[in-house]
Amino acid sequence: DAGVTQSPTHLIKTRGQQVTLRCSPKSGHDTVSWYQQALGQGPQFIFQYYEEEERQRGNFPDRFSGHQFPNYSSELNVNALLLGDSALYLCASSFPGTNEKLFFGSGTQLSVL
Amino acid sequence: QQQVKQSPQSLIVQKGGISIINCAYENTAFDYFPWYQQFPGKGPALLIAIRPDVSEKKEGRFTISFNKSAKQFSLHIMDSQPGDSATYFCAASRSKAAGNKLTFGGGTRVLVKP
Repeated sequence: DAGVTQSPTHLIKTRGQQVTLRCSPKSGHDTVSWYQQALGQGPQFIFQYYEEEERQRGNFPDRFSGHQFPNYSSELNVNALLLGDSALYLCASSFPGTNEKLFFGSGTQLSVL
Repeated sequence: QQQVKQSPQSLIVQKGGISIINCAYENTAFDYFPWYQQFPGKGPALLIAIRPDVSEKKEGRFTISFNKSAKQFSLHIMDSQPGDSATYFCAASRSKAAGNKLTFGGGTRVLVKP
């Protein structure tokens, strides 16, 4: 049983560009959350998707947007990249009915030059 | 605003010793407090979690102590092993809130010396 899978594992972009990160949840999970983890810091909640809708959003600008597909997979899009967007982006999924026990993927390391 | 404060930032412990990590929270609406373990190049993995209706929870060598009045909770790693060397994060959430986002502490890097 595959866990949470994310792609790509690493990505290098330049300022002003746009990026799309992808996530496939663990089998049987229907809720997907995205977190940003800067170097040496704890993950910061970006947003959560359930039933293809954004259910809650953290303190991130509108440059960060997302989508959830009918098969529960999800994308995170970041527009107009800034140097400060360089971080590890983590996707987490959880079982239906509970979003407490989160399973995290290994993340996408984004570097903005 | 950092709602969950974690200390220390790092600690070194000898094999067989006890590692203790502390966290304090501000939001009294939090009612779910997990601890995550993260190895380099990997995402965080749930280690153990507690709710405010109990003061202590133990799973193997890992124990959470919870003090609701002080708004503090801690992780104890007993008989620490080199394989426990990792970064540990405490977190908190409101389990009945839509979205149930986790608010993480800043992390503690633990090094267990053989």
